[in-house]
Amino acid sequence: ETGVTQSPTHLIKTRGQQVTLRCSSQSGHNTVSWYQQALGQGPQFIFQYYREEENGRGNFPPRFSGLQFPNYSSELNVNALELDDSALYLCASSLAYQETQYFGPGTRLLVL
Amino acid sequence: KQEVTQIPAALSVPEGENLVLNCSFTDSAIYNLQWFRQDPGKGLTSLLLIQSSQREQTSGRLNASLDKSSGRSTLYIAASQPGDSATYLCAVRPNGANNLFFGTGTRLTVIP
Repeated sequence: ETGVTQSPTHLIKTRGQQVTLRCSSQSGHNTVSWYQQALGQGPQFIFQYYREEENGRGNFPPRFSGLQFPNYSSELNVNALELDDSALYLCASSLAYQETQYFGPGTRLLVL
Repeated sequence: KQEVTQIPAALSVPEGENLVLNCSFTDSAIYNLQWFRQDPGKGLTSLLLIQSSQREQTSGRLNASLDKSSGRSTLYIAASQPGDSATYLCAVRPNGANNLFFGTGTRLTVIP
């Protein structure tokens, strides 16, 4: 157990809808990263938040957005869902500049 | 752009056998390299982290090596057990970056 929790565990949406995924970081961690893992692929970096500010972004369109709250919990929002957004979404927390990121169990999103 | 490749994609071995998983990366300007384990539908568990200045790290039956100049890492698992069955992912953190680049993983099955 890493102490990182995510909700919900599973979610089904239809194309065009919007979704919000949530992540609760390990206690004391001020940095959270979000990754998308399509079936049979490795995780791909979406973005990272440090002290409530975006601190790096991967090759994802603006309809992927995020928030980090003062208690360091985080949200990933995806607008105008597409079929290809179906994936396991992972969040990882760490202390800034710490070597290891601690991953949550993920949220599996299915877009129909 | 950093690309990470893992070979083989899948591996099946009898219990007790020693095995090697391979990882290669295209840009040698890395800060560190990590090996993760992922059970089906689950999040990632960090197994070993190697700093760019190190050659290897060991934890129990696991040994990871790093040859940064040739862009290669190996994960050696000794005396494999059925409980080792999982997907193994390697990930590199480039210099100056906060995110990880993952390979597509090797799915390991250890047969009792």
